[in-house]
Amino acid sequence: AQTVTQSQPEMSVQEAETVTLSCTYDTSESDYYLFWYKQPPSRQMILVIRQEAYKQQNATENRFSVNFQKAAKSFSLKISDSQLGDAAMYFCAYRSERTPLVFGKGTRLSVIA
Amino acid sequence: DGGITQSPKYLFRKEGQNVTLSCEQNLNHDAMYWYRQDPGQGLRLIYYSQIVNDFQKGDIAEGYSVSREKKESFPLTVTSAQKNPTAFYLCASSPGRAYSNQPQHFGDGTRLSIL
Repeated sequence: AQTVTQSQPEMSVQEAETVTLSCTYDTSESDYYLFWYKQPPSRQMILVIRQEAYKQQNATENRFSVNFQKAAKSFSLKISDSQLGDAAMYFCAYRSERTPLVFGKGTRLSVIA
Repeated sequence: DGGITQSPKYLFRKEGQNVTLSCEQNLNHDAMYWYRQDPGQGLRLIYYSQIVNDFQKGDIAEGYSVSREKKESFPLTVTSAQKNPTAFYLCASSPGRAYSNQPQHFGDGTRLSIL
């Protein structure tokens, strides 16, 4: 079965600085999709960014970007110019043609003013 | 605005009682999902459905049941067989099939507690 590992239970970053959240996954499939979701204290799940495995170019959404290393099965999230509103739980997730969405256990990000 | 509505926001269950969590979407999505979230566990898939009158078990289906009689509705019943039901439950939906690259949209969740 596919697994997603987030090795950092908690991270903190100074406001306006950059932080990188790690995610690795285990799969034998070649075609799949990767996602980062944000869960603020309101508990609502919000899609941050997504990446198709067949695309070599790393996805970018404003201040959020990923470093996708397919051979290493790594999918890290970089948040630039961190803001207080970025404080949340961040979940990495994997999906494929044979697997519904599988989540990691999450990383709690704190932003220090 | 289109979205997913979960109700109630908070729910209490007595020992031996079945309870049903509601999930309604007006996004015209084909696929719907139920997840359970425990502290430190992330989200775990309970059941999902790709089409009306069809659904599949996820990783932790024991003690739960679902139905999909209408495209927009996917209620989850927590039965008395579920011995540790206290958790936060999230419903989601996505266009197309469950395995497509389309992201899932989530409801606001239901917090279930045991009295």
